[in-house]
Amino acid sequence: QQQVKQSPQSLIVQKGGISIINCAYENTAFDYFPWYQQFPGKGPALLIAIRPDVSEKKEGRFTISFNKSAKQFSLHIMDSQPGDSATYFCAATTPNTGNQFYFGTGTSLTVIP
Amino acid sequence: DTGVSQDPRHKITKRGQNVTFRCDPISEHNRLYWYRQTLGQGPEFLTYFQNEAQLEKSRLLSDRFSAERPKGSFSTLEIQRTEQGDSAMYLCASSKSGRGNIQYFGAGTRLSVL
Repeated sequence: QQQVKQSPQSLIVQKGGISIINCAYENTAFDYFPWYQQFPGKGPALLIAIRPDVSEKKEGRFTISFNKSAKQFSLHIMDSQPGDSATYFCAATTPNTGNQFYFGTGTSLTVIP
Repeated sequence: DTGVSQDPRHKITKRGQNVTFRCDPISEHNRLYWYRQTLGQGPEFLTYFQNEAQLEKSRLLSDRFSAERPKGSFSTLEIQRTEQGDSAMYLCASSKSGRGNIQYFGAGTRLSVL
């Protein structure tokens, strides 16, 4: 049972465009929602994270939008660059389960020059 | 480099053999996690330690899998009698306890079972 559902599976964006990746969850006990970026052959690296007490968090070109009532959150990458081409994973966690992360299935982003 | 370190990076083994992987977490981190990642999927939780205590194990972790974290420092993950279905990337992450729980991942050990 997938605790966090992620879409789309793959995304192609032109350089300078906006990349949007969406995630949805059911467990209302989740209280921390990170996004990880993974390049081939590397481990996931934390990109940005949000808690449900705010609706938006921005760090540079990366923004998380969070809709608590809809149990959805999304990653927006502004001015997408070829170097952003990677796989992106959303995740969620709750202290109730030892803070293990439940990951989405990933989105493969390709930014075309 | 003070990040999470995993060894080996790659392991090729024959079905039925035992393998052991090592993870060295960030030194001040008391929590350590093992995840498994197959191609095209997100990491799946296997087990979690707080200091030397193994506090949680996923149902994914069959009795062929065992993990230890002696003295609350490095951890080992052993797979006995490997099967082809065990082929995956095994990721280790560490964090500090407390609110925030940013997990830092290592580069992983890629296991191929022939």
